[in-house]
Amino acid sequence: KQEVTQIPAALSVPEGENLVLNCSFTDSAIYNLQWFRQDPGKGLTSLLLIQSSQREQTSGRLNASLDKSSGRSTLYIAASQPGDSATYLCAVMFSGGYNKLIFGAGTRLAVHP
Amino acid sequence: EAQVTQNPRYLITVTGKKLTVTCSQNMNHEYMSWYRQDPGLGLRQIYYSMNVEVTDKGDVPEGYKVSRKEKRNFPLILESPSPNQTSLYFCASSFDPGGLGTEAFFGQGTRLTVV
Repeated sequence: KQEVTQIPAALSVPEGENLVLNCSFTDSAIYNLQWFRQDPGKGLTSLLLIQSSQREQTSGRLNASLDKSSGRSTLYIAASQPGDSATYLCAVMFSGGYNKLIFGAGTRLAVHP
Repeated sequence: EAQVTQNPRYLITVTGKKLTVTCSQNMNHEYMSWYRQDPGLGLRQIYYSMNVEVTDKGDVPEGYKVSRKEKRNFPLILESPSPNQTSLYFCASSFDPGGLGTEAFFGQGTRLTVV
């Protein structure tokens, strides 16, 4: 069964810390992996998309890496700010899945001043 | 601006009263889908469509219908809503170049409460 797991489930850190959020998936045959941000009760904001042929993507203070062979991705947030507080979701598009995304349960991040 | 638009954003209805949640995208995407998000269960796919007049069930299709008469629109229909369909619903679209998988774009969500 194709599954996506995110660790930790919740994280609380002081402002300024560098963070690593982890995502693991059960099948290395993937098209891509996307990281999303979700604010409470709100929609999904796409942060980074990594195609299966890529190793990492960067956007501002965010860097996402992909290691298909080990079934892992990490989202690195540099110099965290209170505005980064949200739930971060990892979603994998597995090969043969007709563009269906399998989501992890998310990591709920709180950055306090 | 490229976007996926859902309406309504919030809806409270009574058991058994048919409702439709609309979804429209302006990116000429072939692939569209619906997800529901529930606490502890995450996001799960309800239905998807590969193109006009081509739809198929996702992981949790019971109690839902969809149609794809135009490329840009993909409405979600609840013919007889029940309280267990209370959830946060998301519509998504993506370009499908031969099924190789591309970035998915999501709507802002529809919070549905069935009483």
